Amino acid sequence: ETGVTQTPRHLVMGMTNKKSLKCEQHLGHNAMYWYKQSAKKPLELMFVYSLEERVENNSVPSRFSPECPNSSHLFLHLHTLQPEDSALYLCASSQDKLAGVSEQYFGPGTRLTVT
Amino acid sequence: GENVEQHPSTLSVQEGDSAVIKCTYSDSASNYFPWYKQELGKRPQLIIDIRSNVGEKKDQRIAVTLNKTAKHFSLHITETQPEDSAVYFCAASSRASGGSYIPTFGRGTSLIVHP
Repeated sequence: ETGVTQTPRHLVMGMTNKKSLKCEQHLGHNAMYWYKQSAKKPLELMFVYSLEERVENNSVPSRFSPECPNSSHLFLHLHTLQPEDSALYLCASSQDKLAGVSEQYFGPGTRLTVT
Repeated sequence: GENVEQHPSTLSVQEGDSAVIKCTYSDSASNYFPWYKQELGKRPQLIIDIRSNVGEKKDQRIAVTLNKTAKHFSLHITETQPEDSAVYFCAASSRASGGSYIPTFGRGTSLIVHP
């Protein structure tokens, strides 16, 4: 698969588990994003890594922890999640320049179920 | 921060009719306005975008208009076809303090085109 890939595609975890979601982009972009997609809030931005800056949505609980070791890889570390965290987690990338930003390319998502 | 309102939440049309989806935004500094289409079970994909220095853009049956003074932009789809059925998201991007572009998405419009 080219473009933006995500693993795993499906994940079921208990509330006491620790897991990580992985995203990789093969587009040479310099910005990566995590979104949560649920019926309540269709596309909620969680974290952004761009131009060596990390921006986060202040409403995201600390049980979600992002990591971006380089411009091609992005992780979302999960621990002690709650059932309301069940959702589709989408990764995206774009080319962010001081003169403007390009469209976002989304990955296929990880369907997370917290039991 | 930015706030994007999108209407309607559901739009049902007959094949061949036109469909219009409207969004308003609050941050006058926003300068990039993309529209994404998400088919059932698939990832969002860009269908058209507009930057703040342009008032209108057209691509075959799809057009977007932007009114910066009123802070609203609209998606127009003409001669709708059943394959246009999907959820459509608008977004407005503005710069964070460190220079990164931060997109804020609308809540989405579920478009249903009846054959």
